Amino acid sequence: KQEVTQIPAALSVPEGENLVLNCSFTDSAIYNLQWFRQDPGKGLTSLLLIQSSQREQTSGRLNASLDKSSGRSTLYIAASQPGDSATYLCAAGAGSYQLTFGKGTKLSVIP
Amino acid sequence: KAGVTQTPRYLIKTRGQQVTLSCSPISGHRSVSWYQQTPGQGLQFLFEYFSETQRNKGNFPGRFSGRQFSNSRSEMNVSTLELGDSALYLCASSLDPSDTQYFGPGTRLTVL
Repeated sequence: KQEVTQIPAALSVPEGENLVLNCSFTDSAIYNLQWFRQDPGKGLTSLLLIQSSQREQTSGRLNASLDKSSGRSTLYIAASQPGDSATYLCAAGAGSYQLTFGKGTKLSVIP
Repeated sequence: KAGVTQTPRYLIKTRGQQVTLSCSPISGHRSVSWYQQTPGQGLQFLFEYFSETQRNKGNFPGRFSGRQFSNSRSEMNVSTLELGDSALYLCASSLDPSDTQYFGPGTRLTVL
């Protein structure tokens, strides 16, 4: 059974700092790894999708990497802004058409 | 292009009642998935439909059911509601499960 863990559970940083969010998964037989953002009381917004054959994806200030052999993915956020404050979720897509989610990292960017 | 829509956005029910939630996927998307989100368990997979066929079901009791129509719209039903069913129910659509999943705003269900 796939298990996804995100560390840390919460993170507070000053504005402008670069930061890394971590995600680990137990079953390396994934077909993709997705990062999402969730604002309080809202649905999920897709940030980046990394297919199993890829090593990283970039979008603006965001960069996500994937290392299947070690069961790890990281989300790098450059020059953080207060608007980046949200909960960040990673999800592993592995067989049977479902995503397994981590519990998320709640990020607070302090002005 | 319109995003994923879910109706209703909020529901209050009492124990023992049943409820039906609706999801309209992005136009052209044939895969629709449902997830339950609670503070304690996080996001948990309920089921996935593709072209009106349920291809996978998560570890939930039989009180949770769903279906997909020929226009890809999907509904999920929960019968004999329990207090523990209070949650945010999220629907996601995609062209294919290996593609980006686009989530709707969710339906907040409160069971009293």
